[in-house]
Amino acid sequence: RKEVEQDPGPFNVPEGATVAFNCTYSNSASQSFFWYRQDCRKEPKLLMSVYSSGNEDGRFTAQLNRASQYISLLIRDSKLSDSATYLCVVNLVGNSGGSNYKLTFGKGTLLTVNP
Amino acid sequence: NAGVTQTPKFRVLKTGQSMTLLCAQDMNHEYMYWYRQDPGMGLRLIHYSVGEGTTAKGEVPDGYNVSRLKKQNFLLGLESAAPSQTSVYFCASTPQGNQPQHFGDGTRLSIL
Repeated sequence: RKEVEQDPGPFNVPEGATVAFNCTYSNSASQSFFWYRQDCRKEPKLLMSVYSSGNEDGRFTAQLNRASQYISLLIRDSKLSDSATYLCVVNLVGNSGGSNYKLTFGKGTLLTVNP
Repeated sequence: NAGVTQTPKFRVLKTGQSMTLLCAQDMNHEYMYWYRQDPGMGLRLIHYSVGEGTTAKGEVPDGYNVSRLKKQNFLLGLESAAPSQTSVYFCASTPQGNQPQHFGDGTRLSIL
């Protein structure tokens, strides 16, 4: 299994649609999980952290499934401004050679929201 | 607040030239990182630092050197630039290694 793996997409959805992204990670001991968004030719920016019990921020919901080693991001009522690449980010810790010093970024999933 | 500032924003080099990219952060963060981002490859860690005076290799360190003489600055050097180093370079910082990283707005480097 790749360390952090995401569906590369692209996802093309109409405004108002609900879209979900999944991400799998390789190490069961990982403790910190995040979703970032990256606009074209811009730097990655933190969208939200992912907590064990799941968490919501407006139209965005993040969930963690430790047993299956995946995290998800749900976007409801998509807006044109949601068009971006969404990066899954994990602090891989444990036998795979990860450390507390680094975050591992997935390659990202491109979302385009169409009018 | 400036956050993380990268200098320069754009640069074109000829093969074999050298240059230094500067990253400065004003958040008193201990950890700093240099990444490169290429199409289809995602972010790849070049080098990182867990505190002033320390550096460590990341995933793709060859052809690069770094220094962290001051806590707020992390320098990335290319001693002899190669076309394969054409990329977008991002610097990031964080107070602790397992917390979210804050990114600079990138340096676009082309090597001819």
